[in-house]
Amino acid sequence: EAGVTQSPTHLIKTRGQQATLRCSPISGHTSVYWYQQALGLGLQFLLWYDEGEERNRGNFPPRFSGRQFPNYSSELNVNALELEDSALYLCASSLWSNNEQFFGPGTRLTVL
Amino acid sequence: SQELEQSPQSLIVQEGKNLTINCTSSKTLYGLYWYKQKYGEGLIFLMMLQKGGEEKSHEKITAKLDEKKQQSSLHITASQPSHAGIYLCGADTSGGGATNKLIFGTGTLLAVQP
Repeated sequence: EAGVTQSPTHLIKTRGQQATLRCSPISGHTSVYWYQQALGLGLQFLLWYDEGEERNRGNFPPRFSGRQFPNYSSELNVNALELEDSALYLCASSLWSNNEQFFGPGTRLTVL
Repeated sequence: SQELEQSPQSLIVQEGKNLTINCTSSKTLYGLYWYKQKYGEGLIFLMMLQKGGEEKSHEKITAKLDEKKQQSSLHITASQPSHAGIYLCGADTSGGGATNKLIFGTGTLLAVQP
């Protein structure tokens, strides 16, 4: 069974640009979660999508947004990039009724 | 202050030695999850604990949940170099029903010397 996949592996952008990160959940999983792991800050919850709807949001500004598609894959968009957005962005998926979250390998975003 | 505290922050042990990592929550725990992460990579799910007093084992790794103390411990027996990495505990402190988000500890960096 394929695990959670994320693309791209690495992304380099400059300040003010926009970044789009993609995630494909495990087959059968309807919930997708996004987390940011920045150096020194630990793993922080960003967004939770289920059945195409945003269900919960962490303490991040509105320029962090996303969506979930009918096939349950998801995109995370970060607008007006700032230097401090440089981090490893992890996507996880789970069955809606199950608390076990399975993580992808992450996308490392570097903002120059 | 951090909602989920892990200790120690880092640990260096010799191969074959036992070790314990602790995770303490400042809030009620409705679920506790242990993950392992290689630097810069995704998280590997290890174990989930949901009931007070619950104990689970997988190979040489055992995790326990003390609901009253709002604490979990991860114990590795006869450590091997393959156990090296960052161990993260994640907690569901929202209560009731399906999860929405996990709060994570700051991690424990484990190095195992051959």
